[in-house]
Amino acid sequence: DAKTTQPNSMESNEEEPVHLPCNHSTISGTDYIHWYRQLPSQGPEYVIHGLTSNVNNRMASLAIAEDRKSSTLILHRATLRDAAVYYCILRDVIGNQGGKLIFGQGTELSVKP
Amino acid sequence: SQTIHQWPATLVQPVGSPLSLECTVEGTSNPNLYWYRQAAGRGLQLLFYSVGIGQISSEVPQNLSASRPQDRQFILSSKKLLLSDSGFYLCAWGWRGRNTGELFFGEGSRLTVL
Repeated sequence: DAKTTQPNSMESNEEEPVHLPCNHSTISGTDYIHWYRQLPSQGPEYVIHGLTSNVNNRMASLAIAEDRKSSTLILHRATLRDAAVYYCILRDVIGNQGGKLIFGQGTELSVKP
Repeated sequence: SQTIHQWPATLVQPVGSPLSLECTVEGTSNPNLYWYRQAAGRGLQLLFYSVGIGQISSEVPQNLSASRPQDRQFILSSKKLLLSDSGFYLCAWGWRGRNTGELFFGEGSRLTVL
């Protein structure tokens, strides 16, 4: 699986937008970009995923670079409940038997009131 | 709707004792099933995954084993626990054949080996 690189930690202020970057320079054409987040002492939860086009859902937006070598998860208005570890994961849709997700170290987001 | 149950939520076991963690999924059929472990700090390590009854793939060699005796039941076991087996164990399921879909995680089992 292609690897991703994320900052170890980021800080945000409550009610401000947050841009969480992810680099994936070795991404292949069949890799989808997935984002999950993990609140303390809980299992990860799905946030969003995309292939080439930018994606929006009720939780966040995903902006994907034109060359697909990087992406950014955007939380439009951070709340205290958004404090979590955010994982950017590449998931091969073709050669990935069992649909595995391979997690990296993620970015720990702290939100200040 | 689909749900995933995992138990026990916490357990403290002595070194050398056996382990059994159980995970069941409701509301779907033929799911892909996964066991992950999270040691102190971040990063989830994929331990096992299964695409069907009796079909287990191991990602990391260790003294743990997994079994899938029924379609929606996934069990993680050990005959003799090591101190290094301590961690947060997470079961997850995903739709079979949909590698673009999300994985749904259980609430986890926290294991402390003393």
